[in-house]
Amino acid sequence: GESVGLHLPTLSVQEGDNSIINCAYSNSASDYFIWYKQESGKGPQFIIDIRSNMDKRQGQRVTVLLNKTVKHLSLQIAATQPGDSAVYFCAEAVSGGYQKVTFGTGTKLQVIP
Amino acid sequence: DGGITQSPKYLFRKEGQNVTLSCEQNLNHDAMYWYRQDPGQGLRLIYYSQIVNDFQKGDIAEGYSVSREKKESFPLTVTSAQKNPTAFYLCASKNGAGTGELFFGEGSRLTVL
Repeated sequence: GESVGLHLPTLSVQEGDNSIINCAYSNSASDYFIWYKQESGKGPQFIIDIRSNMDKRQGQRVTVLLNKTVKHLSLQIAATQPGDSAVYFCAEAVSGGYQKVTFGTGTKLQVIP
Repeated sequence: DGGITQSPKYLFRKEGQNVTLSCEQNLNHDAMYWYRQDPGQGLRLIYYSQIVNDFQKGDIAEGYSVSREKKESFPLTVTSAQKNPTAFYLCASKNGAGTGELFFGEGSRLTVL
């Protein structure tokens, strides 16, 4: 059923500092993970992905860490900028068959100038 | 420009009326998805389709219907059976060959009066 009144967790970070956004995923069979960024009133945009045969992947200013033992995913943003303010979602999927992609509840990142 | 187009961006509906949200993509993607997003919450999967003339229920399919008569189109009908239809609806597509990122449209905001 629905979780009435659920509020997004919020992370407030000073501009220039590093941000770490965490996510717990639910399906042990998931082998592909993605981070998305959603700005207000818009659709989510892809940031970075990682497959289960890796535990770390780096992009431009972003790093994703995967801990399959505890089903935990994190997104690290280096030198956080005001333009990074958004809601961040992790998503999980299982390879093969229908590509059902399941999203987490999201974390709101607020960058303090 | 390739992308996903959702229309209308804003829609108002009276209780008891069905409404259809349009989603068109010119990315030549096989898979298409519909998600619902409520304030302060994550994305919940309504329906998804891997190929033309085939679709699967997601986690919250009750009160919704879809069709996939063409590869580029995946309209969503919100029926009068949906008890709480006011929400932000997001359409996405993905290249069906293996795992990969979802490309999202800009969303349609439905308000029931």
